[in-house]
Amino acid sequence: DAGITQSPRYKITETGRQVTLMCHQTWSHSYMFWYRQDLGHGLRLIYYSAAADITDKGEVPDGYVVSRSKTENFPLTLESATRSQTSVYFCASSGTGLGEKLFFGSGTQLSVL
Amino acid sequence: GENVEQHPSTLSVQEGDSAVIKCTYSDSASNYFPWYKQELGKRPQLIIDIRSNVGEKKDQRIAVTLNKTAKHFSLHITETQPEDSAVYFCAAIPTNTGNQFYFGTGTSLTVIP
Repeated sequence: DAGITQSPRYKITETGRQVTLMCHQTWSHSYMFWYRQDLGHGLRLIYYSAAADITDKGEVPDGYVVSRSKTENFPLTLESATRSQTSVYFCASSGTGLGEKLFFGSGTQLSVL
Repeated sequence: GENVEQHPSTLSVQEGDSAVIKCTYSDSASNYFPWYKQELGKRPQLIIDIRSNVGEKKDQRIAVTLNKTAKHFSLHITETQPEDSAVYFCAAIPTNTGNQFYFGTGTSLTVIP
């Protein structure tokens, strides 16, 4: 589990500000994912990446931007934060093969005031 | 895309009783079905998984069953203990979606001592 880390653990920001959540993994996993977790909605996929420089939208991508210049890093940026983006954000990674286990980071609790 | 439904959303059982959580999926291309446990304030962690060529899998007090024809799978926890209290998520992974995990909305299990 220590192979995937997120920062910060907690973040409070104001509407309209840009926020970047960091995710770093040491397993050289090909796939990386960003989920948001909200009560009643479970885990919803925001963006994912199959490899460096390859990203794709998930279920709820609006208002978010991702990049993946290196295999180990997958930052998530909220370009202009809104209150509806208050949530717990989880980064996750997995290997390439079908059925590869998904490992989660410890999460970032984001509050947009 | 894949749609995973999970029931019940909340479940309370007496310590020592069994608990069953059920999930259905829509995409017949799904062939990997993991279950995750999330304790309060923690990250989701894999507890058991099953692949489509297997009907049942057991690991001590937990078991998962899969009915491909009906497109449903279930988590069974026997002899429940207070430390089983958590939120449980099922997921389905289709073969043709780049290792995307589609999660159910979660079941909050409370084991009453």
